[in-house]
Amino acid sequence: SQQGEEDPQALSIQEGENATMNCSYKTSINNLQWYRQNSGRGLVHLILIRSNEREKHSGRLRVTLDTSKKSSSLLITASRAADTASYFCATATTDDKIIFGKGTRLHILP
Amino acid sequence: GAGVSQSPSNKVTEKGKDVELRCDPISGHTALYWYRQSLGQGLEFLIYFQGNSAPDKSGLPSDRFSAERTGGSVSTLTIQRTQQEDSAVYLCASSFWTTKRGGSDTQYFGPGTRLTVL
Repeated sequence: SQQGEEDPQALSIQEGENATMNCSYKTSINNLQWYRQNSGRGLVHLILIRSNEREKHSGRLRVTLDTSKKSSSLLITASRAADTASYFCATATTDDKIIFGKGTRLHILP
Repeated sequence: GAGVSQSPSNKVTEKGKDVELRCDPISGHTALYWYRQSLGQGLEFLIYFQGNSAPDKSGLPSDRFSAERTGGSVSTLTIQRTQQEDSAVYLCASSFWTTKRGGSDTQYFGPGTRLTVL
C-alpha cells in the first residue's frame, strides 16, 4: 500500500451520523495533516496532529494518531450535507517529504 | 494576499504545445509547492521551493516539466511538448515555513489550473 493511504475509498452515510475515515502510512513522520477537497479543486486544511500527540479536536472533527500502528483516523460527528467532499491525509515524513494519499470520498445523504 | 491564486483556471491546449501555469503564493510564505491531481486520484508531488531554490525536484515526471520561482514569490510551472497524459489539475500551495526539504507547516492551496491536452 502507499504512504498516506486512506480507507475507505468512498463512504456514504445519513446526515446526522458520524463519519470515520482512516489513514495508514509506512515511514516515520513529523506530523500528519487532514485536508478536505470540494469539487476537485483546492484543498482546505482541517487539522494537523504532531507525532507526539495522540488526539486533537477541532469543532466537529476529532483526529487520532497511533504511531505504533502508523495510522490515523478522522472522525466527523453529526455530519451535514456540507461535509460532502473528498478527505485526504498528508504525512510530513522525517526525511522531509509531504505525501498525500488518494483520499476518501464522503457523501452525506439527506 | 488573501490567498493563493493560480492562473489560468482552465487551459486547453493541443498536444505538442508548451504551457505555462502561474502561482501567486500568500505574501510572506517562503515555501511553495506544486502538485498534480488526475481525475479521482490523490495529489502527486511535483516540486517545492524554499525561497527561490528548489531543493527537491524528484517529483517532476519528465524533463519536459520545469519550474522556477523569482523574487521568492510568484512561481511558474512550464510543461513543454505537452502530452495527453499531462491532462490533470495542477495545484499550488504555499506555507509560512518549511523544514529542511519538504516542509511540515500547514499548506494553503490555490484553486488549481485544470489542464486539458487534446
